[in-house]
Amino acid sequence: AQKVTQAQTEISVVEKEDVTLDCVYETRDTTYYLFWYKQPPSGELVFLIRRNSFDEQNEISGRYSWNFQKSTSSFNFTITASQVVDSAVYFCARETSGSRLTFGEGTQLTVNP
Amino acid sequence: SQTIHQWPATLVQPVGSPLSLECTVEGTSNPNLYWYRQAAGRGLQLLFYSVGIGQISSEVPQNLSASRPQDRQFILSSKKLLLSDSGFYLCAWGQRRADTQYFGPGTRLTVL
Repeated sequence: AQKVTQAQTEISVVEKEDVTLDCVYETRDTTYYLFWYKQPPSGELVFLIRRNSFDEQNEISGRYSWNFQKSTSSFNFTITASQVVDSAVYFCARETSGSRLTFGEGTQLTVNP
Repeated sequence: SQTIHQWPATLVQPVGSPLSLECTVEGTSNPNLYWYRQAAGRGLQLLFYSVGIGQISSEVPQNLSASRPQDRQFILSSKKLLLSDSGFYLCAWGQRRADTQYFGPGTRLTVL
């Protein structure tokens, strides 16, 4: 199976700090899709971003930004000026054959006031 | 807009009892549907997915089964629950291959 690795199990920061969540994936495909989801304490997974492997431009959405490096098979997620409401588990995922997603194990982010 | 519902939200069942979890999607037609399980708050495991009515693919052999009796309805079942079936069950939908999957609110199952 083509794995997705989120090496950081837990990260704790103080409010207003910047934080980067790492994601490394395995792939044998030339075309693939990558995703990030947020899981707040309520449990529901919230979609954050979908990225096509052909599009290597970094993306910014408000305080969120994503750095896609095809050469290193990484798709890292940065939160700028973190807030307490950012506290959640964040999952990186990649699409595999048959419309399935393979998820990483997640990174628990705690933002302390 | 599309909405996905799951029920019940929480469930406590004894070992050996049957299970039926339901998922319905509104606002779309012919979606791909998925059942995931999350144990211990981490790591989503894909259990089943369906690309159409009556079409079910199983990812992990176990005592669970899935059915899709209607286009926008996906049911997860078990005849006899095991302790290891405890977890957080999430249903998701997507429109086609490589499409974003959108998740329901989940069902927290505790088997005692």
